[in-house]
Amino acid sequence: DSGVTQTPKHLITATGQRVTLRCSPRSGDLSVYWYQQSLDQGLQFLIQYYNGEERAKGNILERFSAQQFPDLHSELNLSSLELGDSALYFCASSHSGAQGGYTFGSGTRLTVV
Amino acid sequence: GENVEQHPSTLSVQEGDSAVIKCTYSDSASNYFPWYKQELGKGPQLIIDIRSNVGEKKDQRIAVTLNKTAKHFSLHITETQPEDSAVYFCAATYPGNYGGSQGNLIFGKGTKLSVKP
Repeated sequence: DSGVTQTPKHLITATGQRVTLRCSPRSGDLSVYWYQQSLDQGLQFLIQYYNGEERAKGNILERFSAQQFPDLHSELNLSSLELGDSALYFCASSHSGAQGGYTFGSGTRLTVV
Repeated sequence: GENVEQHPSTLSVQEGDSAVIKCTYSDSASNYFPWYKQELGKGPQLIIDIRSNVGEKKDQRIAVTLNKTAKHFSLHITETQPEDSAVYFCAATYPGNYGGSQGNLIFGKGTKLSVKP
């Protein structure tokens, strides 16, 4: 157990639907990062939050949004889902920034049918 | 922004041989370079890292080298074992707008390492 908790582990939904992925960071970590992992695209950075504030955006689609709550857990919202959104979504946390590395959760596997 | 390229995409070695994975980065402001190992069905796990003020770091059978001038860094695994089989990712820090200790990691596309017994 890495200390980063992601729920649900698996999610199957239909095109056009909306889903919410949840992440609880490791105790004491203030930064949360979301990554998308597709078969041939490696780990694509989506968005970073630090202590409730958005700090950086990567290749995140406009249909996707995220937030970090006062208790530091984070949610990634994916809407108007398309087949191409099927992927593994990872959350990672760190105490401050990237120095020292991240701790990753075990991921949520999203399948859009 | 930062771009990280990783080679090779797949690597097959015999048990006991060495394995080398190479990465290049584009942003000279990057100052932290971790390597992650991802086993099937799990999230990536940090195995070793190096900062820009160091040229080489070793941890048992794993070593990482950094050439800042050429903007490339490499992972070396010696005496490979079947349990080393996994996907390995290199990454570089992109400081972002806040710089300093903030910022996020940009990852290479991964190398699938297979160690044959």
